[in-house]
Order: sequence, then C-alpha cells, then structure tokens
Amino acid sequence: AQTVTQSQPEMSVQEAETVTLSCTYDTSESDYYLFWYKQPPSRQMILVIRQEAYKQQNATENRFSVNFQKAAKSFSLKISDSQLGDAAMYFCAYCNGGGADGLTFGKGTHLIIQP
Amino acid sequence: DGGITQSPKYLFRKEGQNVTLSCEQNLNHDAMYWYRQDPGQGLRLIYYSQIVNDFQKGDIAEGYSVSREKKESFPLTVTSAQKNPTAFYLCASSTHGGRGPVGEQFFGPGTRLTVL
Repeated sequence: AQTVTQSQPEMSVQEAETVTLSCTYDTSESDYYLFWYKQPPSRQMILVIRQEAYKQQNATENRFSVNFQKAAKSFSLKISDSQLGDAAMYFCAYCNGGGADGLTFGKGTHLIIQP
Repeated sequence: DGGITQSPKYLFRKEGQNVTLSCEQNLNHDAMYWYRQDPGQGLRLIYYSQIVNDFQKGDIAEGYSVSREKKESFPLTVTSAQKNPTAFYLCASSTHGGRGPVGEQFFGPGTRLTVL
C-alpha cells in the first residue's frame, strides 16, 4: 500500500517570504501522480499543483512550484511571495497511474502567514 | 456552473440511527469518491465508484454503505455499525480514461456529521 508522510504539522512564514512544505511518499509503482491540495478555513479542498511521475520537469503554477525527487520519493511545495490568503492546511496526495482508485493523503501541514 | 454539491452542510444523528449523506455532481465525471476527515488527520478513502452500478471499498469502509444508481449521484449511508461516525465527510469526483487530467479530483463543500 502507498503511504504519504508530511513531517511538518505546522509552518510559519512572514508575508512576502518563501516557504517550503515537505512531503515524502512510498510506492512500488512506476506510474503515478502527485498533488498538493489547499484547505482554507472554509474546508473547501482546492487543487494547488499536480506532478506526473514520468515528467522530469518540476511543475509550476504562478507562485507555487514543486521539487520532485523521484529517486528519493520526495515532493516538496515551495510558495514564493507568501500572501495572507495562502494561510490554510496543505495536503500532499498520491494516486496510481490509472487515476481512478482514489487519492492517498498525508496528514497535512498547517501554514500560518505572519503579517 | 458545474460542480459538486453535498447536503446537508451539518447533520446531527442519535446513536443507533442510520443517516444518508447526499453527493451530486454535474461535471459528467465517471468516478466518484467519499472521504472522511478527522482532526489532525488527512483525508481517508471510504468508498469509490468508477462507473454506475459498481463501487469498491476504500481503506475505512466498515460501517458505511453506498450506491451508484445514477452517474450524477453517489450517496453515503453511515450505519449504526460505524463506531465513531462524528467527522467531516467530503465527496469528490474525477474524470479518467483519457478525458482529462488523470487523478485530479474535484471536491464538494463537505458535510459535518455529529453523533449526539
């Protein structure tokens, strides 16, 4: 079975600074996808960024980028120019290559933005 | 607007009662999912369905049941056999089979279930 580990229960960053959230995973599959989801206080889950395991290039979405290290099974999220609206729970998630079997989530990192 | 709706937003249940949570999507997605979220935990998969009239158990299916009679609907029943049902329940859907980003799931707003 696949597992996803987020070792930072809580992180704090000053507004406009950069922060990196860590995620490691364990799988024996070669074809899979990785995601970062954001859950603000409204509890609505919002997709931040996705990475296909077969792609060597790290995904980027505006201020959000990932550092995908396939051999190390590491998938960290970097948030640049942090904004107050970035404050939320962030979840790392994994799915197998077929994509239809559901996501495996980490326990989440609570990100606090200091004004 | 396309999306996923869940109702009700808050639900209260007495011990020993079954209760059904609603999930509807108009995204024309094939697959639908139910997750449970507890404080300090990530989301855990309860049940999922890849096609109408078919569904599979997830990691924590005991005490829950589902049906998938229509593509748009995937209701979850929390039975009296579920020992600790108080939690936040999230429904999601996704497309697959080459018709969209693989694995990307769209979530509803959730239902908070409290057992009194």
